[in-house]
Amino acid sequence: GENVGLHLPTLSVQEGDNSIINCAYSNSASDYFIWYKQESGKGPQFIIDIRSNMDKRQGQRVTVLLNKTVKHLSLQIAATQPGDSAVYFCAEIGMDSSYKLIFGSGTRLLVRP
Amino acid sequence: GAVVSQHPSRVICKSGTSVKIECRSLDFQATTMFWYRQFPKQSLMLMATSNEGSKATYEQGVEKDKFLINHASLTLSTLTVTSAHPEDSSFYICSATGQGNQPQHFGDGTRLSIL
Repeated sequence: GENVGLHLPTLSVQEGDNSIINCAYSNSASDYFIWYKQESGKGPQFIIDIRSNMDKRQGQRVTVLLNKTVKHLSLQIAATQPGDSAVYFCAEIGMDSSYKLIFGSGTRLLVRP
Repeated sequence: GAVVSQHPSRVICKSGTSVKIECRSLDFQATTMFWYRQFPKQSLMLMATSNEGSKATYEQGVEKDKFLINHASLTLSTLTVTSAHPEDSSFYICSATGQGNQPQHFGDGTRLSIL
């Protein structure tokens, strides 16, 4: 299927360092991308989004970069905090006008104190 | 921000029981709601898309008679897992979106455990 997630890659960072989480998306025609944060036992929480006419967007402590040439999306978290520990998913909107999200496989971020 | 409430948060029941999960948008009108299933350490898998007042659209491989979806109002969608069996045990998550291409807002999920 479209979602393949047999395991979760893990990124371990020291508190205070910057984190970079990467994602390769599947459809070169997708024009809207979202990063979600999922804490244990909870639903995904919207972090930041970006449309395909942009290559960078900044929020509070987070930045999303979009490279359409190689279909790559990244999430940068500045000054990572223990509360940032979670699983992060990128998602793209399908192009069939149904607004269905296609989720990436996810990355677990562990913040070391 | 937009809030989506999902209830119950956890269900434990015997095999053969039917279980209903509710998804409510609390502060906006949800023209479309989505139901996902998530296994441990895996990503979310879309089960079905639900539009208010019309039949749900199911993803390939999802049994519509097994997973009944009702979206009777702009603030409520329900998923009923009929005659649940242990293999139906999973984390079920709903999301809701308003008009147009707006971000989906997710509920906190329902942990379903079938004994």
